[in-house]
Amino acid sequence: GIQVEQSPPDLILQEGANSTLRCNFSDSVNNLQWFHQNPWGQLINLFYIPSGTKQNGRLSATTVATERYSLLYISSSQTTDSGVYFCAVHTDSWGKLQFGAGTQVVVTP
Amino acid sequence: NAGVTQTPKFQVLKTGQSMTLQCAQDMNHNSMYWYRQDPGMGLRLIYYSASEGTTDKGEVPNGYNVSRLNKREFSLRLESAAPSQTSVYFCASSGVTGVRNQPQHFGDGTRLSIL
Repeated sequence: GIQVEQSPPDLILQEGANSTLRCNFSDSVNNLQWFHQNPWGQLINLFYIPSGTKQNGRLSATTVATERYSLLYISSSQTTDSGVYFCAVHTDSWGKLQFGAGTQVVVTP
Repeated sequence: NAGVTQTPKFQVLKTGQSMTLQCAQDMNHNSMYWYRQDPGMGLRLIYYSASEGTTDKGEVPNGYNVSRLNKREFSLRLESAAPSQTSVYFCASSGVTGVRNQPQHFGDGTRLSIL
C-alpha cells in the first residue's frame, strides 16, 4: 500500500515563529487532506488539497502531486496551534484515507 | 448542523464483553468509515461503506463487524472485546463528486478501554 511519511515527528515553537511541516507519499494519490488533532482529541479539517496552494488565515498548504509531497505552513504560531498535525492521502476512488504518523507541535508562550 | 455524531464518547468494558459503537451523519454523504487510533499513531481504517447496503474491510478488520443501517447510520460492533482493542475509535463520512473524492469529516471519537 501507499506509504505516508511526515516530518519532523516533533516540533517545539516559540509563539510568533513560523514553521513548515512536510508529508511525502510513495505513490500517486487521488487526493490529500491535512488535519489538526487538538489536545481534546478532535480532528479538525484544515485543507483538502490534491494539488496547488491554498491558504486559510495563518495556515497554508501546497501539494506537488507530481513529486509526491505536500507542505503545511504555519505562520505567526499561537499556543492554540499546539496539537498533532496529520497528513492523509486518498488511496482509491472509494476515498479510503491512509494517514501518516503525524507531527506533534508544541507552541510555547 | 451536527455533522458526524458518535455515541458513546467513553466506555470501559471487560474482556469478552460485546459492544456496539454508533455513528450518524446528517450531511447526506454516501460513504462512511470507521478508524481506530492507537497512542502515537495515525488513524487506521477498520471498515468502510461506500454506499448504503455495502461494506468492505479496511486495514485492520479482525475482531470487528459493521452494519450500514441506512444512509445516515453506520455502526461498529465488537463481539468479544480484547485488551488489544483498547483505542480511540473515529467515524467519518464523505461524499463523491464526479471522479474525485470529497473530504472526509470526522466525529469526535469514542474512547474505549478494555480491561
